[in-house]
Amino acid sequence: EAAVTQSPRNKVAVTGGKVTLSCNQTNNHNNMYWYRQDTGHGLRLIHYSYGAGSTEKGDIPDGYKASRPSQENFSLILELATPSQTSVYFCASGDAGNTGQLYFGEGSKLTVL
Amino acid sequence: QEKVQQSPESLIVPEGAMSSLNCTFSNSASQSIWWYQQHPGKGPEALISIFSNGNKKEGRLTVYLNRASLHVSLHIRDSQPSDSAVYLCAGNNAGAKLTFGGGTRLTVRP
Repeated sequence: EAAVTQSPRNKVAVTGGKVTLSCNQTNNHNNMYWYRQDTGHGLRLIHYSYGAGSTEKGDIPDGYKASRPSQENFSLILELATPSQTSVYFCASGDAGNTGQLYFGEGSKLTVL
Repeated sequence: QEKVQQSPESLIVPEGAMSSLNCTFSNSASQSIWWYQQHPGKGPEALISIFSNGNKKEGRLTVYLNRASLHVSLHIRDSQPSDSAVYLCAGNNAGAKLTFGGGTRLTVRP
């Protein structure tokens, strides 16, 4: 079964601090994604990747960086966290011949004070 | 950029009833339409997809797609309390990108 693991599951950060959210997948999928979920906005795409070494901007990339050092790992980096980045973040993976079926992790709840 | 609108925002039905959820897209070029189910504190899980105009049935789920009106609907027959969740509609029209709607919160009362 598809497995996507996120860490940490909960994080409290201070404004201006650096936050790194990590994601590991054991599905051997080429594509990986970072979404954030806020009430009233559904899931919004921040960054995605087609494979190791590649990162692409999604629909709301400002204030975020991404890193894909290997097939299995995809990180989301907030260099200077702000309270507006308080949210639940989801990582997902999908096949390269992706028809839209993504496998999601359980989410990382980030609170920026 | 694809935009996806879902309605209603919230739906409450009695156990055994039909639940009907709606989704409208801004771009008819969406290659595939997906419905995801999300339980509290969990990540979304893919439920059912449709690519062609018409309908598709899987168990208690039926999905209808009308590309001309940019509308897709999901119907859950004989709704159960375990069906209570948020349902997300998503469209795939830009390669690997999947755009989601805001979701419908379904509550099935025993």
